Amino acid sequence: NAGVTQTPKFRILKIGQSMTLQCAQDMNHNYMYWYRQDPGMGLKLIYYSVGAGITDKGEVPNGYNVSRSTTEDFPLRLELAAPSQTSVYFCASSTDGPRGGQPQHFGDGTRLSIL
Amino acid sequence: GESVGLHLPTLSVQEGDNSIINCAYSNSASDYFIWYKQESGKGPQFIIDIRSNMDKRQGQRVTVLLNKTVKHLSLQIAATQPGDSAVYFCAENMAQTGRRALTFGSGTRLQVQP
Repeated sequence: NAGVTQTPKFRILKIGQSMTLQCAQDMNHNYMYWYRQDPGMGLKLIYYSVGAGITDKGEVPNGYNVSRSTTEDFPLRLELAAPSQTSVYFCASSTDGPRGGQPQHFGDGTRLSIL
Repeated sequence: GESVGLHLPTLSVQEGDNSIINCAYSNSASDYFIWYKQESGKGPQFIIDIRSNMDKRQGQRVTVLLNKTVKHLSLQIAATQPGDSAVYFCAENMAQTGRRALTFGSGTRLQVQP
């Protein structure tokens, strides 16, 4: 089973460029999440979605946008890349929300550097 | 703001010993907690979870203890193996926020010495 697939695995951007980080899951999960992880730190929630067509902001949404047109895909968009967005980005999915007792399944991350 | 944090950034243990990783949380309204394991270059992997109506929960070689009085969470790993070497995160969910997502701590690195 593929689980949660993130592409690309690595990317270097110049300041001001834009890009989309792709995330796809094949488990028919309703919930999907985007986190960023800075070196030596825990994960911070950027955006999440509880189903197709529904998204909500997390702790650090500024500079990012998301969409959820299908159950499977949850892309994260950076419109004007800034050095502060250099990080590792993780996508996750789950059947239910955190309180439903179902764990979040994570992808292996996208390592993004803004120079 | 409210946060979830860890006492020790790095824990070094001998293979075969038991490991205890600690986590402090500051919000008494937190009522659901999860431990994740993250190996180098990988995404976090679910280990075990516990709700606030429980004090203890056991899995395969792992036990999570919750002390609501002092707002403390711990992960115990029995007979630690080299494959247990990783960074361990605790995460929590606060019912009162209405947010259907987790707040993660900063992590503890577990190093298993052969």
